[in-house]
Amino acid sequence: GAGVSQTPSNKVTEKGKYVELRCDPISGHTALYWYRQSLGQGPEFLIYFQGTGAADDSGLPNDRFFAVRPEGSVSTLKIQRTERGDSAVYLCASSLMMNTEAFFGQGTRLTVV
Amino acid sequence: SQQGEEDPQALSIQEGENATMNCSYKTSINNLQWYRQNSGRGLVHLILIRSNEREKHSGRLRVTLDTSKKSSSLLITASRAADTASYFCATPPDGGSNYKLTFGKGTLLTVNP
Repeated sequence: GAGVSQTPSNKVTEKGKYVELRCDPISGHTALYWYRQSLGQGPEFLIYFQGTGAADDSGLPNDRFFAVRPEGSVSTLKIQRTERGDSAVYLCASSLMMNTEAFFGQGTRLTVV
Repeated sequence: SQQGEEDPQALSIQEGENATMNCSYKTSINNLQWYRQNSGRGLVHLILIRSNEREKHSGRLRVTLDTSKKSSSLLITASRAADTASYFCATPPDGGSNYKLTFGKGTLLTVNP
């Protein structure tokens, strides 16, 4: 069966540009999470969706970051006016329900030059 | 901020040897989880140990938890080259849900054939 799919796998963008990162969760999973992992660090929580709504967005670093999940399935993480410090691997995970095992995608490696 | 800190940061062993990684954390927890990450991309959930458990096994993995010392260890027995990866401990907020995990910086394990 298909796991969590993230596209693109790699993205290089220029400073100041807008980017969108996509996450396709496992079919039927209601919970979806975004994490960010900088080089040499562990993943850091960004945002959690339960269904279509962002139940907890306390990890988003600033208002340049925004995420949506309009139909309760695919989610898009949007970053405006990218900065070099945004360079990281962005990981998406989904789970059947909130407190069940989370399955991670392979991540999108974002490089801002 | 990082809740868990893994020790050592890097570990190199020969195939067939056992590998032990440690994790220390700062606040009370209701469970602790170990993840594996290959080549800095997707995370794979290995095992979850609850705060009222002292030891748990899964295949070649053995996890211990000492809540009085706020520490956990992951033992991989009879290691294989395919076990080469980074290993992270992660904890949810005490009384909180599993979605908002706080990860350590990880231990990079290299198993030499």
